[in-house]
Amino acid sequence: EVQVLESGGGLVQPGGSLRLSCAASGFSFGNYAMSWVRQAPGRGLEWVSGISSNGGNTYYADSVKGRFTVSRDNSKNTVYLQMNSLRAEDTAIYYCAKDRAYGEAFDYWGQGTLVTVSS
Amino acid sequence: EIVLTQSPGTLSLSPGERATLSCRASQSVSNYLAWYQQKPGQVPRLLIYDASNRATGIPARFSGSGSGTDFTLTISSLEPEDFAVYYCQHRSNWPPGWTFGQGTKVEI
Repeated sequence: EVQVLESGGGLVQPGGSLRLSCAASGFSFGNYAMSWVRQAPGRGLEWVSGISSNGGNTYYADSVKGRFTVSRDNSKNTVYLQMNSLRAEDTAIYYCAKDRAYGEAFDYWGQGTLVTVSS
Repeated sequence: EIVLTQSPGTLSLSPGERATLSCRASQSVSNYLAWYQQKPGQVPRLLIYDASNRATGIPARFSGSGSGTDFTLTISSLEPEDFAVYYCQHRSNWPPGWTFGQGTKVEI
């Protein structure tokens, strides 16, 4: 059974940093790209960042470029999202999602972890 | 950057009725379009990928169609559990990344 589990969310002050983790199991982790998607309270889905299966390619939404860094450790079946210079508008549930076979969609999602940026 | 526009914003229907949801892309996306369902307090669930392929375990009452810039998600006969928000999504090769539509809420 495929499982994706995020952790690391919490309350952080504006300008602060946070590192999210996403532990996956039930599939050949090193064969699949992964992404982070966020959802602000009462709002729609926003793709944040993605990373290729071997970690060699990373991608970011313009809204987080230069502030967030995605990485992965295939030996630990885990993907990370380092978030720096956090702003109030980064407040959201952050979901980790697995790419489908050819990267055409996200077929498995974690339950999400809430990040709140507030003083 | 490709923009996905979904319509209508809200669709008010009754169980048993047919639901037709639209997603329009600002430029051609070929058939690289997916649809997701999200119920309140739940995680998004993949329904359709490549415009018309149902994901594993998705009931046959869900169907997707379209190519280029105009896409449709059809729910042939609404079940009570289908009342939710639906999002379309596109993967772009350049600039690399994903885009979601703003969502359509299907309400009773």
